[in-house]
Amino acid sequence: DAKTTQPPSMDCAEGRAANLPCNHSTISGNEYVYWYRQIHSQGPQYIIHGLKNNETNEMASLIITEDRKSSTLILPHATLRDTAVYYCIVRRFPGNTPLVFGKGTRLSVIA
Amino acid sequence: EAQVTQNPRYLITVTGKKLTVTCSQNMNHEYMSWYRQDPGLGLRQIYYSMNVEVTDKGDVPEGYKVSRKEKRNFPLILESPSPNQTSLYFCASSSTGVSYEQYFGPGTRLTVT
Repeated sequence: DAKTTQPPSMDCAEGRAANLPCNHSTISGNEYVYWYRQIHSQGPQYIIHGLKNNETNEMASLIITEDRKSSTLILPHATLRDTAVYYCIVRRFPGNTPLVFGKGTRLSVIA
Repeated sequence: EAQVTQNPRYLITVTGKKLTVTCSQNMNHEYMSWYRQDPGLGLRQIYYSMNVEVTDKGDVPEGYKVSRKEKRNFPLILESPSPNQTSLYFCASSSTGVSYEQYFGPGTRLTVT
């Protein structure tokens, strides 16, 4: 599976949009982009995933560039409860490969 | 409520004393997996199972055993725990359909002295 690169940390003001970038320049055609987050030491939580089209759900939006080499997770109105480590993961589908969690981005939402 | 449960949540034990961490899911998922999380090393997969009676090694299987006799349960067995197995353990499950999103349990914090 392709490797991802994320900034180690970001700050965001409460109520503002949080935009978390991810670089996956070696992504191949059958690989999806997944985002998970982990709040403190809780189990990771699935947020969203996509292949090449932009995706939106009740938690977030995922914007994937046309060449698929990077993506941005958008939390439209960040709250203090969104403070967490966010992981961008590229994973082949179909396939039995595990989720490979890198170091992620530590997002701090500030009041 | 769809969930993955793990027991116990916290465990302190001594070297060599066999232990089992249970994992159960109520979503009829085919795929189940165990991860461990250590500071600076992130989450690493220990074992996974594609379905009943089908298990395979992940990245760090040494010192662990698993079994999958029922679809909903996937226990992690440490036959002779050692201090280097002190870690935070997560069980996860998913369907094998298109979304492939994994649901994680709350974690088990294990300390081996």
